[in-house]
Amino acid sequence: AIRMTQSPSSFSASTGDRVTITCRASQGISSYLAWYQQKPGKAPKLLIYAASTLQSGVPSRFSGSGSGTDFTLTISCLQSEDFATYYCQQYYSYPGTFGQGTKVEIK
Amino acid sequence: EVQLVESGGGLVQPGGSLRLSCAASGFTFSSYAMSWVRQAPGKGLEWVSAISGSGGSTYYADSVKGRFTISRDNSKNTLYLQMNSLRAEDTAVYYCAKALEDVPGYDAFDIWGQGTMVTVSS
Repeated sequence: AIRMTQSPSSFSASTGDRVTITCRASQGISSYLAWYQQKPGKAPKLLIYAASTLQSGVPSRFSGSGSGTDFTLTISCLQSEDFATYYCQQYYSYPGTFGQGTKVEIK
Repeated sequence: EVQLVESGGGLVQPGGSLRLSCAASGFTFSSYAMSWVRQAPGKGLEWVSAISGSGGSTYYADSVKGRFTISRDNSKNTLYLQMNSLRAEDTAVYYCAKALEDVPGYDAFDIWGQGTMVTVSS
């Protein structure tokens, strides 16, 4: 199975900050990469798929980039509702695998 | 409204069985692959099993192969997960999730249920 590694595992940020989360695949996955947001006690929510396509209804402050093995999720101006855990997922090959998550906390 | 609603979780002893259900509404259920994804307490997401839109193809994580069975009833818009020989390490919130397309086992998930908790303990 393809291993997905996110960095950092957690960090603190302030409202208004620009933040970037990195996801690295153990082998090339083209652009078959999705990003999810999960808040405590809630189901994950799809933010981005195909590495850079914004899911309908997701604010434009979220963006994704990358291809091959290295990907990033950027939040251009962090809002209070964005404090959550973010997961990447590859769906290039079976089985689809998730990163370990990145928790974004309030500074 | 597009929605997935899970049910069937609970407390079960090691070696026991449970059947989870996921009722879908608001989309053409038979046109999409569906998956079960679980999350152990305080841990990350783990894909468990997937099924094609027709139900003809099924896939399992190695950790559950031979113990869990995924199925669907397209006439009832319902997805199932039969879990047998349960172990303590199966303790988790189980989510059903709709794939973006009819690609079971490796696709992104655009709709998730609220989750149902399964606790395996004596």
